[in-house]
Amino acid sequence: GAVVSQHPSRVICKSGTSVKIECRSLDFQATTMFWYRQFPKQSLMLMATSNEGSKATYEQGVEKDKFLINHASLTLSTLTVTSAHPEDSSFYICSAPDNSGNTIYFGEGSWLTVV
Amino acid sequence: AQKITQTQPGMFVQEKEAVTLDCTYDTSDQSYGLFWYKQPSSGEMIFLIYQGSYDEQNATEGRYSLNFQKARKSANLVISASQLGDSAMYFCAMREGLYNFNKFYFGSGTKLNVKP
Repeated sequence: GAVVSQHPSRVICKSGTSVKIECRSLDFQATTMFWYRQFPKQSLMLMATSNEGSKATYEQGVEKDKFLINHASLTLSTLTVTSAHPEDSSFYICSAPDNSGNTIYFGEGSWLTVV
Repeated sequence: AQKITQTQPGMFVQEKEAVTLDCTYDTSDQSYGLFWYKQPSSGEMIFLIYQGSYDEQNATEGRYSLNFQKARKSANLVISASQLGDSAMYFCAMREGLYNFNKFYFGSGTKLNVKP
């Protein structure tokens, strides 16, 4: 079964609203989680590194005020897309490495459509 | 410079044959990890195989093996006895460093089509 669970799998929201995506590690504690964005037929683009108990580290070009990341516990990280616009429509996926770091588990991904 | 390069946007293979998906990487770190993931059309990322930079033997997991050529900085994935269910996108990834908080870099992917 899944060891990293992501919710919701699909969400449609109106332009200007905010959407929260959750990423949970089920069988292990994840001090670090990663958030990616993937456009159709393209690779995964790292958006930010989520660290439990501290601020997320954002990649260059990613707006931290638009993509709010909260890693409040060792099993949960959330990505909130604030004031969403149609260009934010994409596939968002999280990942969490296990304690060894040799296995990185991905969530199921979330399809966001902003209308 | 690209950290991970996958030069084959698409590949075709006949069912039951073997196929090699190419991956080269670029790093000056001595410690790193190489990963291969499969992404079917549903979008989920399925872990296939891992190779650490200090591992002397090529990693194998069932029908998957990683042809690790450290001097050439290549980490090709070999799938033996292809099955129709192997049709998917395949991503090569590298983690610079051996800690779980080190970042991942993904290649652009290779779309594999297995023909019956």
